[in-house]
This record gives sequence, C-alpha cells and structure tokens, in this order.
Amino acid sequence: QLVESGGGVVQPGGSLRLSCEASGFTFSDCPMHWVRQAPGKGLEWVAVISYEGSNEYYADSVKGRFTISRDNAKNTVYVQMNSLRPEDTAVYFCARTAPRSVGVFDVWGQGTMVTVSS
Amino acid sequence: QSALTQPRSVSGSPGQSVTISCTGTSNDVGAFNYVSWYQQHPGKAPKILISDVSQRPSGVPDRFSGSKSGTTASLTISGLQAEDEADYYCCSYAGTYMYAIFGGGTKLTVL
Repeated sequence: QLVESGGGVVQPGGSLRLSCEASGFTFSDCPMHWVRQAPGKGLEWVAVISYEGSNEYYADSVKGRFTISRDNAKNTVYVQMNSLRPEDTAVYFCARTAPRSVGVFDVWGQGTMVTVSS
Repeated sequence: QSALTQPRSVSGSPGQSVTISCTGTSNDVGAFNYVSWYQQHPGKAPKILISDVSQRPSGVPDRFSGSKSGTTASLTISGLQAEDEADYYCCSYAGTYMYAIFGGGTKLTVL
C-alpha cells in the first residue's frame, strides 16, 4: 500500500514537498516513481529513484525544479517541488516498480492534489 | 518525447469485444517489449491490467489481453461488462533517462 500526503494550494514560484509512505512490501527493493495527472488530462511520468537511492531521473518538464528522494528506513519516498508553475497543478501519485520489472507501475497510491494558483 | 497516440474514445455493447490501439515510435514502443496498460475509474488511482506487452498480473480477468506489432501496441477487452467503462492508458518504457511515456488515454463507453 502507498499513501501520499503533503498536497495543497501554493502560489506560483512557491515550493511544496510531497511524501509517500509504503507498507506491505519490501520498500528498499523497489524503484519508486511520481506520476501526475492534471485535471481532466492524462497521466504523465514525473520522476524515478532507484531502489537504493543512488540514481534519479526526471521528465524534462520538471528537471531542475523537482527532486525525488527516499528514506528506506522510513519506507518513504519524497518529491521536493520548487519554482512551481500553474501547469504543475495535478494529482500526484506515487507508484512502485516491482523488483526485476521494467517500465511497470504495479502499485499506486491514492494521489494527493497540488494546486498552483495565486 | 511526445505522448503515445491512443484513440480518444471507443465504445461497445455488453458481451462485445473492443480493441484500443497505442502508437509510439522506434524509441519507445518499437524499441522495448515493456508496454503496460492501466485502467482508471473516475476519481481513482490507475490499476495495472497488462505488463510486458501481454502479461496479465494475478487477479486481472483473462478478458483483457495485450499485443504489439512494430510501433503499435493493442489492448483487447472481450466480453465487455458494464464495469469495464473507464479510462485506459498505455505506457511504454523509454530508456533509462526518460523511463516511461504514457498514451493520452482512451475513454471506453459500454453502451
């Protein structure tokens, strides 16, 4: 199970940190992702962090502004979002890729809403 | 990279079959056998239906099947049921740096 938190309303240019706590599986074995969905729109992959936290990759739309991190002792993955723009408004889901799988998001959280507006 | 191309909507009657296409490029769908499909009901999180082009995770009915030819993947839903009415998204692995690209989504209406 994955449970996100930290969403809310923030002004353009502001910052927000989302958290996603995992349970029911060996968190430290799994790459973890953030995927977002703007209102009425499709899914967009945002970022991934490797199982041990040594590698991170980002979509071009957030590169340089968002930072993904994880704390395996707390079974939690984070995304720090800086320089937020109105187009970052979306439901943010965390999702896992199972060990030895590629390109598959097999467990999803319920999502947390981020609204960027003045 | 642009989103994978899916039809915006498809429809079918209960008991019929529908197929949703997902067209990418030689850099994503055509390059890797890592296409997955997700079902999303309104206000809910996506749910995995198909991984690795055609593999069904445990618990997914065998009415759902996937395939791929070249740069186009397909999801077929047979024996349509009312609860299949939802949005469907394809997704392709796109390499280490881009990781995943989703399709724009297809709304399935069960008539």
